[in-house]
Amino acid sequence: GAVVSQHPSRVICKSGTSVKIECRSLDFQATTMFWYRQFPKQSLMLMATSNEGSKATYEQGVEKDKFLINHASLTLSTLTVTSAHPEDSSFYICSARIRGYEQFFGPGTRLTVL
Amino acid sequence: AQSVTQLDSQVPVFEEAPVELRCNYSSSVSVYLFWYVQYPNQGLQLLLKYLSGSTLVESINGFEAEFNKSQTSFHLRKPSVHISDTAEYFCAVSPPTGGGNKLTFGTGTQLKVEL
Repeated sequence: GAVVSQHPSRVICKSGTSVKIECRSLDFQATTMFWYRQFPKQSLMLMATSNEGSKATYEQGVEKDKFLINHASLTLSTLTVTSAHPEDSSFYICSARIRGYEQFFGPGTRLTVL
Repeated sequence: AQSVTQLDSQVPVFEEAPVELRCNYSSSVSVYLFWYVQYPNQGLQLLLKYLSGSTLVESINGFEAEFNKSQTSFHLRKPSVHISDTAEYFCAVSPPTGGGNKLTFGTGTQLKVEL
């Protein structure tokens, strides 16, 4: 149980385009979803926290107009990287929480912006 | 604010040898402590956690970690590693209540088990 999926697993796009990444909790309803970014050889950095039906809370330094988060249902959250640039290339990981402390992580999405 | 330090970015070890991956944290409040493992091209998986109670916690695959409050450490150990333990290991902390239970991660330790 507690499986989280992400789609796509890899995406390559041209600079200036927008990319949408989906995060789904497959066998449970997630009250909260988190979006992280991971650079090579570095740790996961929390980008934002989203609760179903409400606006996401972004961490300091994360541009909310660039990284649009929609948490439309208890099983789906999307991250849209708008007008992507090469510096946005990274590994994006989502996690989902039912309640309490434990987060269940998705397998990640590798974004490459050319 | 919390922070997590994993001093070793890489730890090479031979199969069947013991290993210790170090984790130190800083926090002005009590914390929950976690170790996550990330296998190549996969998401993070919870390996073990300390919430309260016994300071020694164990995983199902032979890893253990001990919470040491005075040294603010939560080192991960395994007495005999296997090739399949090769992965990236992340230590993380979160506040027990409030703050949305946000996780703060260390920079990770790459464990490479060699024959």
